[in-house]
Amino acid sequence: QTVVTQEPSFSVSPGDTVTLTCGLNSGSVSTNYHPSWYQQTPGQAPRTLIYSTNTRSSGVPDRFSGSILSDKAALTITGAQADDSSDYYCALYLGGGLLFGGGTKLTVL
Amino acid sequence: EVQLVESGGGLVKPGGSLRLSCAASGFTFSIYNMNWVRQAPGKGLEWVSSISGRSDYIYYSDSVKGRFTISRDNAKNSLFLQMDSLRAEDTAVYYCARGSTTNGMTWGQGTLVTVSS
Repeated sequence: QTVVTQEPSFSVSPGDTVTLTCGLNSGSVSTNYHPSWYQQTPGQAPRTLIYSTNTRSSGVPDRFSGSILSDKAALTITGAQADDSSDYYCALYLGGGLLFGGGTKLTVL
Repeated sequence: EVQLVESGGGLVKPGGSLRLSCAASGFTFSIYNMNWVRQAPGKGLEWVSSISGRSDYIYYSDSVKGRFTISRDNAKNSLFLQMDSLRAEDTAVYYCARGSTTNGMTWGQGTLVTVSS
């Protein structure tokens, strides 16, 4: 069974740079999987941050960036702010369907 | 402004059926892939189903295949999810989302489905 892996939690201080990763238990993540990243705060709908590996959605601050690092997709937040504290999900395109990771709970304080 | 408004959620008994709707506005509905994604209480996001603009490509997750049916009415700018043989584990907020991972997804606010006796 294919599983998308994410760090369960991350805690950083304001101003820090943090990189969240998105891996596959069955192999490497490449641009062919069109990795995407979503931010969600409690009680709210998800918001798309990044799609197709590194394209920022409209209105997303440029402190959010996407890439492939080694064999994983990565979301980097440069200069984290307190209101970046949220759940972050990645998703990979797997031939007709999507597979989401379990999410990373990011705390900035 | 792009708007996606889900409706049709509610309480249903195990084995029952429910039909969700998503009313779209602010964009040319017929040219976009559309998706249903759900989130069980306190859990992560789970992709449910996708449909292409002309309904020629349809996909389901293994967890709903054979029980759920996605469809769309481009004349009415509407997306649907017919859910049959519902189980307790189908309890979730169901989100309608426009687009794909190649062109970015825009999300509705969701509708809650509760399957309980």
